[in-house]
Amino acid sequence: DQQVKQNSPSLSVQEGRISILNCDYTNSMFDYFLWYKKYPAEGPTFLISISSIKDKNEDGRFTVFLNKSAKHLSLHIVPSQPGDSAVYFCAARSTSGTYKYIFGTGTRLKVLA
Amino acid sequence: DAGITQSPRYKITETGRQVTLMCHQTWSHSYMFWYRQDLGHGLRLIYYSAAADITDKGEVPDGYVVSRSKTENFPLTLESATRSQTSVYFCASSQRLTSTDTQYFGPGTRLTVL
Repeated sequence: DQQVKQNSPSLSVQEGRISILNCDYTNSMFDYFLWYKKYPAEGPTFLISISSIKDKNEDGRFTVFLNKSAKHLSLHIVPSQPGDSAVYFCAARSTSGTYKYIFGTGTRLKVLA
Repeated sequence: DAGITQSPRYKITETGRQVTLMCHQTWSHSYMFWYRQDLGHGLRLIYYSAAADITDKGEVPDGYVVSRSKTENFPLTLESATRSQTSVYFCASSQRLTSTDTQYFGPGTRLTVL
């Protein structure tokens, strides 16, 4: 049972345009969400996060939106750059019960020059 | 160098052999984690540790053993490797378990079990 879902395994976007990566979750106890970026042969690196008490968090070109009623979050990258080409994982955490992050399956973003 | 390192980066072994993957961090982070990454599953937590000599199971602990005698090291042992344990393994660490503490990942170990 996949509690965090990234339904698009891949996405291609032209350089300079907006990239939108989506993530859906099923557990209403999740209260903290993160996006990680992963280049080939490297470990994931933290990109941006959002608490469930907010609906938007912005950091430079990256913005994460959270829609709690829809159990949906999205990562917007504007403008997209070739260096953004990577696999993006969303992750969710619940503060109840055993501590752990639940990761999605990842979306491979390719930014075309 | 400061950071989190894993060794070996690549390993090929045979079914039934014991394999140990090493993880070392220089930040003195309290928490350390082992994940495996498989196609279609994302990253799944195997074990984690809150401090030296304190470990606990994650989502997929069967077939794995961990220890943490020193804060900076968190080895993962496959006692009798199986083909289903072919995967990419990531170690991670974080200072605390509060909401704002993110995990820092190592570069990964690609393990192939023949």
